[in-house]
Amino acid sequence: DAGVTQSPTHLIKTRGQQVTLRCSPKSGHDTVSWYQQALGQGPQFIFQYYEEEERQRGNFPDRFSGHQFPNYSSELNVNALLLGDSALYLCASSLGAGGISYEQYFGPGTRLTVT
Amino acid sequence: AQKVTQVQTEISVVEKEDVTLDCVYETRDTTYYLFWYKQPPSGELVFLIRRNSFDEQNEISGRYSWNFQKSTSSFNFTITASQVVDSAVYFCALSDYGGATNKLIFGTGTLLAVQP
Repeated sequence: DAGVTQSPTHLIKTRGQQVTLRCSPKSGHDTVSWYQQALGQGPQFIFQYYEEEERQRGNFPDRFSGHQFPNYSSELNVNALLLGDSALYLCASSLGAGGISYEQYFGPGTRLTVT
Repeated sequence: AQKVTQVQTEISVVEKEDVTLDCVYETRDTTYYLFWYKQPPSGELVFLIRRNSFDEQNEISGRYSWNFQKSTSSFNFTITASQVVDSAVYFCALSDYGGATNKLIFGTGTLLAVQP
């Protein structure tokens, strides 16, 4: 049973560039959430996708956008990268988007460094 | 607003000692969920436990135990007879119940270092 997978593992980008991160949810899960974890901090909720729609967004600018595909996999796009976007980006999958709060299973993350 | 506070930034213990990680939360919701996650150096968050606000029973799983006290808005985590493999960052998190999403609100984490 494959868990949550993310690609790439590491990424180095320059300020102003754009980046796309990818996530495949755990088998049987239909909901994907993205979190940003700055060094020494707890993960911060970016947004969640369910049924190919963004269900809720955290306090992140429009430079952060996403997409969910019919197979439930998801992408996180960040435009016009800033140095402050350097962080570990975590993808989490779960079953259902609301109601009973089933536990979220996290992937290994993508370490993004912006220079 | 929802908030999770983990006042202990770092804890260092010697192997076989017991250690308690504190977590205090704030929420206006009457029903909610609380979680603990472990983050080893590899970075992946590992789910440890989920408790709902209906159930204040303490829970034990092997060397791990959790003390949920709604009256003090606390959900503390104790590791008995700690081992070097327990070294990691531990996060407490809060999620609402019946909301649009099950987004998690995390604390800032407690770095636990278990020395041999």
